[in-house]
Amino acid sequence: DAGITQSPRYKITETGRQVTLMCHQTWSHSYMFWYRQDLGHGLRLIYYSAAADITDKGEVPDGYVVSRSKTENFPLTLESATRSQTSVYFCASSESGQSSYGYTFGSGTRLTVV
Amino acid sequence: AQRVTQPEKLLSVFKGAPVELKCNYSYSGSPELFWYVQYSRQRLQLLLRHISRESIKGFTADLNKGETSFHLKKPFAQEEDSAMYYCAPYPTNTGNQFYFGTGTSLTVIP
Repeated sequence: DAGITQSPRYKITETGRQVTLMCHQTWSHSYMFWYRQDLGHGLRLIYYSAAADITDKGEVPDGYVVSRSKTENFPLTLESATRSQTSVYFCASSESGQSSYGYTFGSGTRLTVV
Repeated sequence: AQRVTQPEKLLSVFKGAPVELKCNYSYSGSPELFWYVQYSRQRLQLLLRHISRESIKGFTADLNKGETSFHLKKPFAQEEDSAMYYCAPYPTNTGNQFYFGTGTSLTVIP
C-alpha cells in the first residue's frame, strides 16, 4: 500500500519547536485524517479533511494545525511542540465520507518531544 | 454519533486456544463496522468488514444487534495473531463518525 506515505518515519524535536509531519496519497481520496496513537488511548482523531481547503477538528485538535491546499497532501503541524505530543501519528485516507472500504493508513511517524 | 467500546485493553491466550476480542457499539440505526489489525511496528490494515461476512486469517465477526456487539473470533489462535486490534464504525461524515475503539492488544503465548 505505497499509495499513502508519511514522512519522516522518526522525528526527535525539542519542546517549543515547530514541526510538520507530511502525508501524501496517490489515490485522489477525498477524505484524509490524522490520528495519534498512545498506550491506553488507542487511536484518537486529531483533524480530518473532507476535500481540499475543507478541514475540521477531531477529538484532540489543540496544539495542532492542518492544511489541505491540494487533494493529495495533508500536512500536520505542531506549532510549539510539548512533551505530551510525543506519540505515533498516523495519516489515513478514505475514498469518501461514506466508504464501505474503510480507511487506508500510512506507516506512521514516531515523534519524540524532548 | 456511532461509538464503539473495546472493554479489554490487553488479552492473552495460549496458542491453539479460542480467542474472542470484544467490541460493543452504542447507537441506533443500521451499524456498519470494521475490524482493523496492527502488527508490531506496522501500519493499521483492514481485517474485516461486517457487510462482507468474510473470514480473514481464520477470524470472523458477527454483528449481534440484540447485544449490540461485533466480537472478533478465531477458534485456534496462532502466534502470528499477536497484534493490536481496533474496532471502528464505517467512516461516515454524518455526525463526524470517524472514531475508533481504544484497541485490544492480543498476545498469543506459545
